[in-house]
Amino acid sequence: AQKITQTQPGMFVQEKEAVTLDCTYDTSDPSYGLFWYKQPSSGEMIFLIYQGSYDQQNATEGRYSLNFQKARKSANLVISASQLGDSAMYFCAMREGLTGANSKLTFGKGITLSVRP
Amino acid sequence: DVKVTQSSRYLVKRTGEKVFLECVQDMDHENMFWYRQDPGLGLRLIYFSYDVKMKEKGDIPEGYSVSREKKERFSLILESASTNQTSMYLCASKNAGTGRKDTQYFGPGTRLTVL
Repeated sequence: AQKITQTQPGMFVQEKEAVTLDCTYDTSDPSYGLFWYKQPSSGEMIFLIYQGSYDQQNATEGRYSLNFQKARKSANLVISASQLGDSAMYFCAMREGLTGANSKLTFGKGITLSVRP
Repeated sequence: DVKVTQSSRYLVKRTGEKVFLECVQDMDHENMFWYRQDPGLGLRLIYFSYDVKMKEKGDIPEGYSVSREKKERFSLILESASTNQTSMYLCASKNAGTGRKDTQYFGPGTRLTVL
């Protein structure tokens, strides 16, 4: 079974509007962390936001926020006030277990977001 | 700012050649990773290293090996390149931290074509 599921084939949003990118995860470990990355056409993966499984509040980083619903095992990324530069591929990733020297990430397959002017 | 660099952005090699992909980070990170990225498959972990001279297999290690002789440098080696190794290769590094400090930082990627 996939540990990270991103099923939206491709998303379009009008400039200045908000958009939600979906991510569901599967783990039996009570300790985990969830990450979102952005990959523009240049190829480099850019870290956006992090949510820990024990965090009481949803994470926010500027225009990015994470809608964390633990019981549903979902960690959707919300981008407010979309900009043309937000057009990119977005990846959700999970680290299972306690952090440590040999922790690693499992990535979803990604979602392509296109922002229309 | 964390800086992760990769030796080449684009590389073209012939089947059977030995290929070296180099990755260097300047933030004294303990952990380093090699991924390959293919359309529709996301990122898949090839190998990772949590310390100098230490390595562990990821999800798809077949056909690859790695070397980490110095803390800042992590090399991916294709002993005998094959066409199915044509892909984007991404290197990442991180500290052995907690929470947000466990974030991986990526290099710009190397797009390898094997003819």
